Amino acid sequence: LAKTTQPISMDSYEGQEVNITCSHNNIATNDYITWYQQFPSQGPRFIIQGYKTKVTNEVASLFIPADRKSSTLSLPRVSLSDTAVYYCLVGNYGGSQGNLIFGKGTKLSVKP
Amino acid sequence: EPEVTQTPSHQVTQMGQEVILRCVPISNHLYFYWYRQILGQKVEFLVSFYNNEISEKSEIFDDQFSVERPDGSNFTLKIRSTKLEDSAMYFCASSLLRGADTQYFGPGTRLTVL
Repeated sequence: LAKTTQPISMDSYEGQEVNITCSHNNIATNDYITWYQQFPSQGPRFIIQGYKTKVTNEVASLFIPADRKSSTLSLPRVSLSDTAVYYCLVGNYGGSQGNLIFGKGTKLSVKP
Repeated sequence: EPEVTQTPSHQVTQMGQEVILRCVPISNHLYFYWYRQILGQKVEFLVSFYNNEISEKSEIFDDQFSVERPDGSNFTLKIRSTKLEDSAMYFCASSLLRGADTQYFGPGTRLTVL
C-alpha cells in the first residue's frame, strides 16, 4: 500500500480557502486517492476521490498532478463546521486490500 | 440517504465480560468492516467480511474477537473477554465493492471497559 504523508495540523479562518496537500510518492498505477473527514466522536465520512487531474463535487475539489505523487484537497470558503480531521488514503478497486489504512490525518481548525 | 447504524452508542462493561456490538450495514452493500479508534489515536482496521466469511483481519483481531452476520441485515462484533485496552470507539463500515470503493461508516459504539 502506498504510504501517505500530510501535515499534522492546519489553522484557518472562516471564509478562507483551505488546501491540504498529501504526498504519496509510491502510488501504484491502479491506485485511487480518497479523502475522508472525521468529526470528533463520529465515524469517518467520504469527501472525494480521484485518479488524476481535477475532481470537484459540492463539498471540495481534488487536484492531482500528472505524476500523481501528491494530491491537494481544496475546501472553498471554510466555516467553523469544517473543523475536523482530514485523511488522505490511497488504494485500488478490486485490490487485495479491502481495508482502509488511516494515518494520523490533518487536524483542521477553523477560527471565527 | 441510506446509512450505517450501530447499537448501542455507548457500552460500559467490566473487564473479562463479553460484549457484542451491533451494526446494520447499508442494505445493498456486500463488504463489511470493523474499525476501532482508541481515544486520541488513529482509526485502525480490525476485520473485513464478505460472503459470510472473513476476508482480511489485522493483528489486533485476535482470538478474543469474532464477527458474524446472523441474518440478512445485522453484522456483529463480539469480544469474548474484554480487557481494559479494548476501550475505544468501534466503527462499522460497509461498501458495495472492495478496494478503493467508498466505505460508509456508522456513528460508532463507545466501549468502556472498567
